[in-house]
Amino acid sequence: DAGVTQSPTHLIKTRGQQVTLRCSPKSGHDTVSWYQQALGQGPQFIFQYYEEEERQRGNFPDRFSGHQFPNYSSELNVNALLLGDSALYLCASGTNTGELFFGEGSRLTVL
Amino acid sequence: AQSVSQHNHHVILSEAASLELGCNYSYGGTVNLFWYVQYPGQHLQLLLKYFSGDPLVKGIKGFEAEFIKSKFSFNLRKPSVQWSDTAEYFCAVTRGLYSSASKIIFGSGTRLSIRP
Repeated sequence: DAGVTQSPTHLIKTRGQQVTLRCSPKSGHDTVSWYQQALGQGPQFIFQYYEEEERQRGNFPDRFSGHQFPNYSSELNVNALLLGDSALYLCASGTNTGELFFGEGSRLTVL
Repeated sequence: AQSVSQHNHHVILSEAASLELGCNYSYGGTVNLFWYVQYPGQHLQLLLKYFSGDPLVKGIKGFEAEFIKSKFSFNLRKPSVQWSDTAEYFCAVTRGLYSSASKIIFGSGTRLSIRP
């Protein structure tokens, strides 16, 4: 049973560019959350998708957007990249049992 | 605003030493509490969680945590650490009744280094 899978694992972009990160939730999970983890910090909640709609959002600007597809997979898009967007982006899926399952993340470097 | 504070940024212990990592949260209502661990090169995984009932919660790998409501704390403990416990530990909180829609707020993490 595959866990949460994310792609790409690493990528480098320059300021002003746009990036799309992808996530497939654990089998049987229909809710996907995205987190940003800067170096030396805990994960910060970006947003959550359920039934193809954004259900909750953290304190991130509109440059951060997302999408969920009918198969529950999800994308995170970041426009007009800033140096400060460099971080590990984590995708998580969960159930009502209270355990979030995390992917290994996509490490984004903005130059 | 709800926040989670982890007092120790980096803890260094020798094998067989006892461990206690502090965690305090700022929300006064119903909370659900978690400890997650991130081993080097691996993804975050759940160590233990508290929703209700016995405030002393036992998790995997010999870890336990105690919810003290009056102190807004949920400290993680282990009586005897092993070298394999070297990892980053994150305390996390959600508010209200837990569901898959709950937003989890993480602390900044504590890096634990174990000397063999």
